[in-house]
Formats: sequence, C-alpha cells, structure tokens
Amino acid sequence: ETGVTQTPRHLVMGMTNKKSLKCEQHLGHNAMYWYKQSAKKPLELMFVYNFKEQTENNSVPSRFSPECPNSSHLFLHLHTLQPEDSALYLCASSPEGEGAPLHFGNGTRLTVT
Amino acid sequence: AQSVTQPDIHITVSEGASLELRCNYSYGATPYLFWYVQSPGQGLQLLLKYFSGDTLVQGIKGFEAEFKRSQSSFNLRKPSVHWSDAAEYFCAVGAGASPGTALIFGKGTTLSVSS
Repeated sequence: ETGVTQTPRHLVMGMTNKKSLKCEQHLGHNAMYWYKQSAKKPLELMFVYNFKEQTENNSVPSRFSPECPNSSHLFLHLHTLQPEDSALYLCASSPEGEGAPLHFGNGTRLTVT
Repeated sequence: AQSVTQPDIHITVSEGASLELRCNYSYGATPYLFWYVQSPGQGLQLLLKYFSGDTLVQGIKGFEAEFKRSQSSFNLRKPSVHWSDAAEYFCAVGAGASPGTALIFGKGTTLSVSS
C-alpha cells in the first residue's frame, strides 16, 4: 500500500478513444503530479497541482487534459492519443515544506494501438 | 537549470558485494537530493534524501548516500547487495521552496544482481 492509488493499472486504447486515468492519495498532501515514464528516457513532468490549482503545465499536448477536483484526487483525461503516448503514467503527491519528497503510485501502463 | 546525470545505465553486482551508484547534479545552490528505487511494474519508492547538515545520509534497506559539494555528487552505496535489490535506481534533485515544485530525475541506473 503506497498511500497513492492509481487506476486502472493497465489500459489499452485506440487512437480515437477517450479514457481517463485516476489517482487518489490518502496522505493529506496538498500537491499532486502527473509524470510520464517512457523506456530509456527520464521521467517527464507533465502537470503539477497545488491546493487544486494547476501550477505547472510542462508543454503537454492538449490531448492530455488534467483535472483536480480536490486535494485527494487527480485525473488525466485522454483523447485522440498517438502510439508514442504509450508509456507508464505515474501519479505522485507531496506534503508542504521545502524540498518535500514525492510519494508515487504504482502507475498506469498505457498502450495506444 | 537543474540537471541530474547518472553515468551508468546498467550495473551488475554479485550478491554480497558492495555497490556504488553514481549521481552528479547541476544546480547553483545547495539542492535537495533524493534517491528512489523502482521495481518492475511498480512506482518509485523513496530510499533516502539529503536536505542539509550531515553529508552522509542513511536510508531504508541498508542504503546510504554521501553528498559531496566539491564534486557535485550524491552517490548511493550499499555494503552488501541482496538479490532483492535488483531494480532501477533514480537520483533526483529539487530546489522547490514550496509544495508543487517538482523534482528533476536522472535517466536511472538498472541494477542486476548475479548469484
């Protein structure tokens, strides 16, 4: 149990589908993040939310749409994805304080066909 | 800009042997430094972190890391590796003064343990 739960664990979708990834944290943290992890590449920060407000959008294509209804939940809505979007999508949260470490979920393995 | 370099993509160590994974960072001031481990199919788990003070930090699972400002390094060590340590290891640097400032990760080092 990591304290950060992601669903689904695996997702296969066609390029015309619409799907959503869900992340939930029970750690009382106020910041939540989406990272993309592709093979042989560093983790890529996608979005950051602090107290439900988006504080960073790291030049992510509009086919990825985040939503943060409260400090405990984070969604990533997906539509018209490309095969190169296939990756492990990791959600993380962090508490208040300088240099607070991230707590990660186990990720959603996304395959776009 | 902050950056992290992990020079070794893949390392193989015999079980029971010592381990050192290298990490170099680029940042203008004293950064916050972290080591994470990722097992197959899992998310990243925090091993240890350095904020300030003692330059040798202890983490979970018998790992330690030493911050060397003069070399801009934060190498991870373990005196005796176990087969269960086989995983991918990530070094990360952060400089956030407030929540929501995310970490910058290195590309990772894959550790294999031979018997």
